[in-house]
Amino acid sequence: GENVEQHPSTLSVQEGDSAVIKCTYSDSASNYFPWYKQELGKGPQLIIDIRSNVGEKKDQRIAVTLNKTAKHFSLHITETQPEDSAVYFCAASHTNAGKSTFGDGTTLTVKP
Amino acid sequence: NAGVTQTPKFQVLKTGQSMTLQCAQDMNHEYMSWYRQDPGMGLRLIHYSVGAGITDQGEVPNGYNVSRSTTEDFPLRLLSAAPSQTSVYFCASKFQGDTGELFFGEGSRLTVL
Repeated sequence: GENVEQHPSTLSVQEGDSAVIKCTYSDSASNYFPWYKQELGKGPQLIIDIRSNVGEKKDQRIAVTLNKTAKHFSLHITETQPEDSAVYFCAASHTNAGKSTFGDGTTLTVKP
Repeated sequence: NAGVTQTPKFQVLKTGQSMTLQCAQDMNHEYMSWYRQDPGMGLRLIHYSVGAGITDQGEVPNGYNVSRSTTEDFPLRLLSAAPSQTSVYFCASKFQGDTGELFFGEGSRLTVL
């Protein structure tokens, strides 16, 4: 089955700095790579996603890049703000399987 | 739309007791799933369903039972609770055949003493 590894497990940055979280996956059939943000006491919520036919996607301060050859994808947050502090999960899935495999999560802390 | 609703939000059980975590969604999603979240271990898939009457095992199914009699509901049953099942449980749903967004409930925190 699919295996997703996520690094780092914790990340602390100063407000205004950039944050990068990286994930690798094992199943070359995976074609959908979402990122979820989980605030304290809440369920994860989708913040951005990318499909395998695209190399990069951007939405305001967040962007995701995908390298299919190397089987890795990354989340980039620019101009971080204290409200970006949360746990971030990457995931991988493909159409035939339907189910998603998640990374172990990254706890991001943005210091004011 | 309420989205994905989980009950109860908190539960304390004694070892050996049984209970059911309820999950309901009002988005007409065919796909529903249960994950458990433990510190440092991310979200691990317990069971999932691609439609009424169809269920399958995920990564960590032992000790849990599911059924899917309607599109809306997907209860998770703990048959004989063990301390190792202390966790936060999340129900999530999406349209089947679409590799798109999973919609999560708010979670159910279970403690087994």
